[in-house]
Amino acid sequence: EAGVAQSPRYKIIEKRQSVAFWCNPISGHATLYWYQQILGQGPKLLIQFQNNGVVDDSQLPKDRFSAERLKGVDSTLKIQPAKLEDSAVYLCASTTMTLNTEAFFGQGTRLTVV
Amino acid sequence: GENVEQHPSTLSVQEGDSAVIKCTYSDSASNYFPWYKQELGKGPQLIIDIRSNVGEKKDQRIAVTLNKTAKHFSLHITETQPEDSAVYFCAAKRPSTNAGKSTFGDGTTLTVKP
Repeated sequence: EAGVAQSPRYKIIEKRQSVAFWCNPISGHATLYWYQQILGQGPKLLIQFQNNGVVDDSQLPKDRFSAERLKGVDSTLKIQPAKLEDSAVYLCASTTMTLNTEAFFGQGTRLTVV
Repeated sequence: GENVEQHPSTLSVQEGDSAVIKCTYSDSASNYFPWYKQELGKGPQLIIDIRSNVGEKKDQRIAVTLNKTAKHFSLHITETQPEDSAVYFCAAKRPSTNAGKSTFGDGTTLTVKP
C-alpha cells in the first residue's frame, strides 16, 4: 500500500514570498489533515478535510494560509505572504472515516523562510 | 480545547534499560490515545495506541497504560535498543462525528546509548 506522498521535501524562500505544498493521501482515505510542526514541538493541526469539505480550520491563519482539496483526493496548502515564523515542517496525514483510528503521515515538507 | 502535556522532553538510557514517557490530557471526553515515533527526516509513525475502554496494552517490547480518572497515560519501552532512538509523541483524540483530530504533546527525544 502506497503511503502519503508529499512534495517538495524541502523549500527555502524569502519572507513575503509565496509557497505551495502538495499532498496525495492514501487511496480511499476520506479524511486529510495538514499539520504544522515547529522545531522542538509536536504537530499542530492547521486544517482537516473530509472528502472535499473543510471540517476544521479553526487554527489556520486565514490571512496568509489557504488550502484546498477540490476533488476529494489531492490537497494543496499555500502560504502567501510567508513570514519568518512560518519556518517549520508541514505534515500531511490521512485516515479513514472510522472513529478512533490512526492517522498515516507523509514525510513532510521542511520550509525555511529567510 | 484539548491540551496534552508530555514529560520528559529528553530521555537518555543505556541499551537494555527501560524507558518511560508520561502524558497528561485535559479533555475527559478524549477516548483514543496513539503514540507515534518520529525518526529524523520522516513523518510520525504509529507504534501503539490505546482506547479508553482498556487500561493497558502491550506489543512485544512496548506497552501503554491509561488512567482515565487521573487523565494520564504512559509509554513503556523495555530492553531498549539503539534503533529505538527517536522522538516520541503522545496524542489524544476525542469522539467525533467524523474521523476527529489528534492533539499532540511536544515530544520526547529518546537516546539509547550502546
